Amino acid sequence: TQLLEQSPQFLSIQEGENLTVYCNSSSVFSSLQWYRQEPGEGPVLLVTVVTGGEVKKLKRLTFQFGDARKDSSLHITAAQPGDTGLYLCAGARNAGNMLTFGGGTRLMVKP
Amino acid sequence: KAGVTQTPRYLIKTRGQQVTLSCSPISGHRSVSWYQQTPGQGLQFLFEYFSETQRNKGNFPGRFSGRQFSNSRSEMNVSTLELGDSALYLCASSPGQGTGRGYGYTFGSGTRLTVV
Repeated sequence: TQLLEQSPQFLSIQEGENLTVYCNSSSVFSSLQWYRQEPGEGPVLLVTVVTGGEVKKLKRLTFQFGDARKDSSLHITAAQPGDTGLYLCAGARNAGNMLTFGGGTRLMVKP
Repeated sequence: KAGVTQTPRYLIKTRGQQVTLSCSPISGHRSVSWYQQTPGQGLQFLFEYFSETQRNKGNFPGRFSGRQFSNSRSEMNVSTLELGDSALYLCASSPGQGTGRGYGYTFGSGTRLTVV
């Protein structure tokens, strides 16, 4: 059983559409991070959220941390083919360095 | 600033053999964490080293071990390889103050291990 549940697992959309990826848990996290991974490469950090209710924007990507720090969402506006990849959420339970990863959302954006 | 370097990129081993993977973190980073990534289980935490000491350990058998050197470079070793050990092994570098305080990882490109 995944401590962090990501949904959907797979998403195939057309260029220009909007999408939201969800990351949910019954546990409280001290911080939550989002990564994007492309085939043959390691995950690349997109954002870290630390405060409950926090919203961060990175160009067309909007990240939100739930008020109770148990869930998070990633919203992409006007998706582009370059957004294609595996999106991973990861939570830290304390001040230490161990992360628990969600199962990932595989996004494909078709031109 | 150089990124995280993992060697080798690809490795094919036979069941029962052992393997050593290497990771050089970003200069100045004192923490190195190792993760195993498989299609079925996703990314799972193996262990973390900070200043040459193992600070955290995941739920893996004792066949999986690691160490960190004084220059922060790290190695992980898997002995008596099993088919199920086939995976992408990822090394993650961080300053060491804790992801819980908002410090993210910088991952290497990984070592793809295939056990036949």
